Amino acid sequence: GAVVSQHPSRVICKSGTSVKIECRSLDFQATTMFWYRQFPKQSLMLMATSNEGSKATYEQGVEKDKFLINHASLTLSTLTVTSAHPEDSSFYICTATGSRGSSYNEQFFGPGTRLTVL
Amino acid sequence: TQLLEQSPQFLSIQEGENLTVYCNSSSVFSSLQWYRQEPGEGPVLLVTVVTGGEVKKLKRLTFQFGDARKDSSLHITAAQPGDTGLYLCAGARVDSWGKLQFGAGTQVVVTP
Repeated sequence: GAVVSQHPSRVICKSGTSVKIECRSLDFQATTMFWYRQFPKQSLMLMATSNEGSKATYEQGVEKDKFLINHASLTLSTLTVTSAHPEDSSFYICTATGSRGSSYNEQFFGPGTRLTVL
Repeated sequence: TQLLEQSPQFLSIQEGENLTVYCNSSSVFSSLQWYRQEPGEGPVLLVTVVTGGEVKKLKRLTFQFGDARKDSSLHITAAQPGDTGLYLCAGARVDSWGKLQFGAGTQVVVTP
C-alpha cells in the first residue's frame, strides 16, 4: 500500500508552547488529508479535513485557531497545536487519499504522533 | 454520539476460540473498513467492503457487509495470541465524501 509518514513520532513539550506535526505522502499525491485525534483506549475522532491549496474544514468542537492546518503541497500537510496544554496530550494520526487507492477513496494512515504536554 | 456502534467494547478469549465483532449504524455507507491497531501505532487496514451482502475472507478472518450497507461484522476463527489488538470499523458515508466515521473500537485479548 501507499506510504504515509508522520514526523515527529513522539514529542514532549511544555505547556504554552506550540508543536508542529508533519504528515507526508511518500509515493503518491494526496489531494486530501485528514487529521484524527485518539485518546487512550478510545477510538479515532476526526478533527479536520485538509484539501491541498485550500482552507481546512474543521469538525464541530475543534478550535481552528488552536489546531492550525496547512496543506501547501500535494505531499505535505502540517498540524500545529498552538499554546498546547496538558489536555491536548493525545495520539494524532493523519490519513491521506488521492492519486493512489481505489474508487472508494481509500485512505492511507500515517503511523501517528504521540504528543505529551507537561 | 457514535454514528457507528461497535460491540463488544472488550473481548477476552482463550487461544483457539472464535469471536465476532459487530458494527452497526442507521446510516448507509458507501464502503466500510476494518482496521487493527497496536499500542502506539496507527491503524492497519485489514479489509474494505463496498457491496451490500459482501463477504470477504482473510485467512481466519471473515468480514461481512450487511445487505443494506448499514452494518458489518468481523469473525475470527480459532483466535491466536497474535490477533490481540484494538479492532476498529470505519465507514465512509455516501453523503460525506472521503470522511471516515470510526466505531468506538473493540479491544481483543487472546490468551495462550
